[in-house]
Amino acid sequence: GIQVEQSPPDLILQEGANSTLRCNFSDSVNNLQWFHQNPWGQLINLFYIPSGTKQNGRLSATTVATERYSLLYISSSQTTDSGVYFCAVEQPGGSYIPTFGRGTSLIVHP
Amino acid sequence: DSGVTQTPKHLITATGQRVTLRCSPRSGDLSVYWYQQSLDQGLQFLIQYYNGEERAKGNILERFSAQQFPDLHSELNLSSLELGDSALYFCASSGEGNTEAFFGQGTRLTVV
Repeated sequence: GIQVEQSPPDLILQEGANSTLRCNFSDSVNNLQWFHQNPWGQLINLFYIPSGTKQNGRLSATTVATERYSLLYISSSQTTDSGVYFCAVEQPGGSYIPTFGRGTSLIVHP
Repeated sequence: DSGVTQTPKHLITATGQRVTLRCSPRSGDLSVYWYQQSLDQGLQFLIQYYNGEERAKGNILERFSAQQFPDLHSELNLSSLELGDSALYFCASSGEGNTEAFFGQGTRLTVV
């Protein structure tokens, strides 16, 4: 099956810093999503981004499907950004099953 | 609020017991997915249902089973529970021809 690798595995920032999280995948994908799992365990949809660039406030994401990677940018980080960020991809073939990476654990200190 | 509802939020039970986790998908979504999140395993896909029919199976143990009912809600049944089954169990749903998945808040299962 498809391999999804996220980097870095862990990230510690001071409030106000910027960061870039990366998601590499081993095969073509139909779709890609970014999620934030907050400290209470809830999985929150950030972006549905099979290709191109999207922005939502301080967060933006870019997927380059031909090169098999996606980037999540967090600017001016806040303590509420802490948690784990996952990317999930859908393999071609109509399975419609999101396959998750292991995530990037982010801690933002005040 | 994702629109996906899972109950219960927390469950504590003893080894050997059986539990049922319930999921109501977003209105209109036909696909339901179940995932298990253990501390060291990440989010593992268990099983998918589409409009009442099983569509795909992942790493689901034989002790576990699921179904999707005509009203599209789904249940995940876990039996002969072991300590290692302690995990966060998520349900997600997506719409027709659209694989943007939305997750419920999860059920935290603790087996003691």
